Amino acid sequence: SQQGEEDPQALSIQEGENATMNCSYKTSINNLQWYRQNSGRGLVHLILIRSNEREKHSGRLRVTLDTSKKSSSLLITASRAADTASYFCATWNAGNMLTFGGGTRLMVKP
Amino acid sequence: NAGVTQTPKFRVLKTGQSMTLLCAQDMNHEYMYWYRQDPGMGLRLIHYSVGEGTTAKGEVPDGYNVSRLKKQNFLLGLESAAPSQTSVYFCASSYATPWDEQYFGPGTRLTVT
Repeated sequence: SQQGEEDPQALSIQEGENATMNCSYKTSINNLQWYRQNSGRGLVHLILIRSNEREKHSGRLRVTLDTSKKSSSLLITASRAADTASYFCATWNAGNMLTFGGGTRLMVKP
Repeated sequence: NAGVTQTPKFRVLKTGQSMTLLCAQDMNHEYMYWYRQDPGMGLRLIHYSVGEGTTAKGEVPDGYNVSRLKKQNFLLGLESAAPSQTSVYFCASSYATPWDEQYFGPGTRLTVT
């Protein structure tokens, strides 16, 4: 069963705009990770945020975590056509393996 | 470093046939995983291994078997393929814990007719 659920399922924006995608999960977690998947390729790790962290940055990426609402968001600023991909959140809690959500498909139009 | 590699990249099987998917990693990672990805379902864990000689069931293990005879290799076997096993299969590895960043292979697209 999927622990994380991404929202929206699909997102289309213009180059230069910001893209925000959200992830909600059901049970308490120890950390949450975001991955990117380009069409026809394997997933690539973007960022990990621990349960005691509220915000984390990596280049144009900003991830927030609200454990009280069991949700996380990924913000991509100043998007580029190369950011077109599917984005997945993955949650981990002790005693289990990483569990992936269904993903958000992002299209950035040039 | 090649990272995580998978062979083959594509395969078409007939119902009832068997095959083995090979995953290799050159990063000396302890953990290895096999996932399947179906449209709209995200990734689902089939089997995983926490070290050489060990394997464990994931979320959807039925119809699959695995072996980890060498630390760098993780094999996924389908003994009698079914159309429901048509999917894209990904192998991944992580360094030493299940919460470490996972490194993924390029995937194997399998069609069972």
